Amino acid sequence: GAVVSQHPSRVICKSGTSVKIECRSLDFQATTMFWYRQFPKQSLMLMATSNEGSKATYEQGVEKDKFLINHASLTLSTLTVTSAHPEDSSFYICSASSDRNTEAFFGQGTRLTVV
Amino acid sequence: ELKVEQNPLFLSMQEGKNYTIYCNYSTTSDRLYWYRQDPGKSLESLFVLLSNGAVKQEGRLMASLDTKARLSTLHITAAVHDLSATYFCAVVNFGNEKLTFGTGTRLTIIP
Repeated sequence: GAVVSQHPSRVICKSGTSVKIECRSLDFQATTMFWYRQFPKQSLMLMATSNEGSKATYEQGVEKDKFLINHASLTLSTLTVTSAHPEDSSFYICSASSDRNTEAFFGQGTRLTVV
Repeated sequence: ELKVEQNPLFLSMQEGKNYTIYCNYSTTSDRLYWYRQDPGKSLESLFVLLSNGAVKQEGRLMASLDTKARLSTLHITAAVHDLSATYFCAVVNFGNEKLTFGTGTRLTIIP
């Protein structure tokens, strides 16, 4: 399958600071990228969908001003957690797909800990 | 709104036994996925099921899809310890490509 690289794999930051997570499709052009959040022992919850060159679509209850998503190219999407708080600590996972009706491939995930 | 229910949530089974995990979903979809997740890791794709009656097998795992019943099953045959993980089904929302995940089944294989 196609490769999606997510970086960093782990990050610890102080409360009030911002953290940027990158998601790259290495061997295909990703027209759509998805960002998920997973709390311990829970399922994945979709946060937002981003399409290259357009604004991200956020799921209900996800603060767009707090979770900034940029999909500036067909191989890169970034998620910035602004003014992070301990309750934002979670496992963030991206996925990318090249077209409608094709499988989305998942990145390795980023473990964010806010102290 | 698409809802995906998975059961059981927890499954502890002995090596060598067979068991089935169930995934029910609430509205029409044309694709269903099964994933495996190990602790601290991301998702590993196991199966993609595209049509009614689809059956796929890989090793000791076999997945099937009944679109009329809106039900998929993941059957484990002669379980081995390496299969211990959390298994998720995920259903594509018809028309917008979003994935809705089931609650997950935490499988523990006991020697």
